[in-house]
Amino acid sequence: ETGVTQSPTHLIKTRGQQVTLRCSSQSGHNTVSWYQQALGQGPQFIFQYYREEENGRGNFPPRFSGLQFPNYSSELNVNALELDDSALYLCASSWDSGNTIYFGEGSWLTVV
Amino acid sequence: GIQVEQSPPDLILQEGANSTLRCNFSDSVNNLQWFHQNPWGQLINLFYIPSGTKQNGRLSATTVATERYSLLYISSSQTTDSGVYFCAVERGTGFQKLVFGTGTRLLVSP
Repeated sequence: ETGVTQSPTHLIKTRGQQVTLRCSSQSGHNTVSWYQQALGQGPQFIFQYYREEENGRGNFPPRFSGLQFPNYSSELNVNALELDDSALYLCASSWDSGNTIYFGEGSWLTVV
Repeated sequence: GIQVEQSPPDLILQEGANSTLRCNFSDSVNNLQWFHQNPWGQLINLFYIPSGTKQNGRLSATTVATERYSLLYISSSQTTDSGVYFCAVERGTGFQKLVFGTGTRLLVSP
């Protein structure tokens, strides 16, 4: 039990649609990161939020965006979904840029 | 960017056997972590180990930062150890941007 919960656990979307994935972190975790994990690969860093501001971004286009809220929850939004966006999306949180990072169970997104 | 390579890619063990997983990285790092991903996708942090040696029960890890590699040891393996083991590193300071390796898929059979 990591104390990080994500929703929904599974969803199917059509190409071109938009999706919002949600994450609830442990109380006090003011740093949240999102990762994309394609089948058979390691997770790839999308972006990080620190105290509600984006604080680092990986090689993902602007149609991937996020929000972090004061209540330690966060969102990942993906617009104009493409087939290649099908993946497991993982949320992770920690205290500041602390050395232990806690992952949620992920949201499995399928784009058809 | 930094490259992270893990070996072996796949490993099959009998219950009770020992194993060593390796992680090589191409540049100096400030952060190195080992994770276990269970079949349902949950990533569990095993060790934060940018240098030195740590032990936690049947698991231990060693990172030789000057030679840019880390080892994860699993002793007396159990079926619940099955899953994918990832090494992840970070070069920068100020925020966590972990770069993951491709993983070692471990299957422990009874």
